[in-house]
Amino acid sequence: QKEVEQDPGPLSVPEGAIVSLNCTYSNSAFQYFMWYRQYSRKGPELLMYTYSSGNKEDGRFTAQVDKSSKYISLFIRDSQPSDSATYLCAMVKRVPGDKLIFGTGTRLQVFP
Amino acid sequence: GAGVSQSPRYKVAKRGQDVALRCDPISGHVSLFWYQQALGQGPEFLTYFQNEAQLDKSGLPSDRFFAERPEGSVSTLKIQRTQQEDSAVYLCASSVGRTGNEQFFGPGTRLTVL
Repeated sequence: QKEVEQDPGPLSVPEGAIVSLNCTYSNSAFQYFMWYRQYSRKGPELLMYTYSSGNKEDGRFTAQVDKSSKYISLFIRDSQPSDSATYLCAMVKRVPGDKLIFGTGTRLQVFP
Repeated sequence: GAGVSQSPRYKVAKRGQDVALRCDPISGHVSLFWYQQALGQGPEFLTYFQNEAQLDKSGLPSDRFFAERPEGSVSTLKIQRTQQEDSAVYLCASSVGRTGNEQFFGPGTRLTVL
């Protein structure tokens, strides 16, 4: 079993929809949680970075962490076609300089 | 530079050839990571440098893989006697290291072994 599980999708939604992306993890040693966006043939781009359980909002994006359930989410409001990409959750056990453990990524398609 | 750069962006090798992949991290970033991303998968850790010291190489899949960062800035990932299963995108990431662990990724090198 992988340490981080993520539904690969693909997920297809109409423009303006609210998108929910999720990951579960098995190791309670993970302390820091990130969401990356990866466009085709590009490197991952950091979207959100959280530490504690609860919500963190940045524009149309909200990251949610529930350490008791070992579950993290990313919500995208008012989704746009430009949001079409693969979304990767990642987590790390300590700072600084620890390796990221990634989920498989969820491919999102937002159609006009 | 403004971000992490990698070269070449694409590399085609015949099975058995040696390849060298280069990473230029963000200036001043202490930590440098290499990841391997297979098609349809998330990146998987290969190795980690803090300045010139290779502190973790637990993810290197075999002794055919070798990485170095001799002056604590540019890094090279070398793969000897390439095999078809080495075909993947190789990503480099850097971070400030001391005070945070946000990792910033380069565009990757797509390696195809024929």
